[in-house]
Amino acid sequence: QQQVKQSPQSLIVQKGGISIINCAYENTAFDYFPWYQQFPGKGPALLIAIRPDVSEKKEGRFTISFNKSAKQFSLHIMDSQPGDSATYFCAASKGTSNTGKLIFGQGTTLQVKP
Amino acid sequence: KAGVTQTPRYLIKTRGQQVTLSCSPISGHRSVSWYQQTPGQGLQFLFEYFSETQRNKGNFPGRFSGRQFSNSRSEMNVSTLELGDSALYLCASSLERGSGNTIYFGEGSWLTVV
Repeated sequence: QQQVKQSPQSLIVQKGGISIINCAYENTAFDYFPWYQQFPGKGPALLIAIRPDVSEKKEGRFTISFNKSAKQFSLHIMDSQPGDSATYFCAASKGTSNTGKLIFGQGTTLQVKP
Repeated sequence: KAGVTQTPRYLIKTRGQQVTLSCSPISGHRSVSWYQQTPGQGLQFLFEYFSETQRNKGNFPGRFSGRQFSNSRSEMNVSTLELGDSALYLCASSLERGSGNTIYFGEGSWLTVV
């Protein structure tokens, strides 16, 4: 059972545009929602994360919007750059007993055209 | 500070053989988890170790096993390899257990089963 659904599967954005990736989850026990960025041949790297008691978190050009009632969260990349071209994964985890157990979305391949 | 180190980076095994992958977490990190990444299934949690004890296990057959040593280094083993085990195996570490502790990934071990 897929607990975190991510869309779109792929995304093409012009340089300077806004990239938006959406995720929806099912389990209301999830209490930590990170986004990871992965370049080819590399492991995923944490971009930004949010907890459900906050509706928005911004770090530089990256913003997470969180809608607890809808069980959805999204990543916005402002002023997208070619260097942002990578695969992005949303994830969720729950409680202290499941630290290392991240449930990942299927990933979104982002291409930013110059 | 060195990141999560995984060895070997690439290996090719024959169906029916077994394989052992090694992971050195970030210095001071006590929690180590393993993930399998494939194009079809995405990133899937294998297991998590903390203080040399398996704390969580994903939905993988018993052919997949792991262990953690007193210095927090970890190994995972896959016995009786199948073609479908071909994947990128990622090790991740975090300082402590508890949702919200940043999880850092290594670059992975690419396993090809022929």
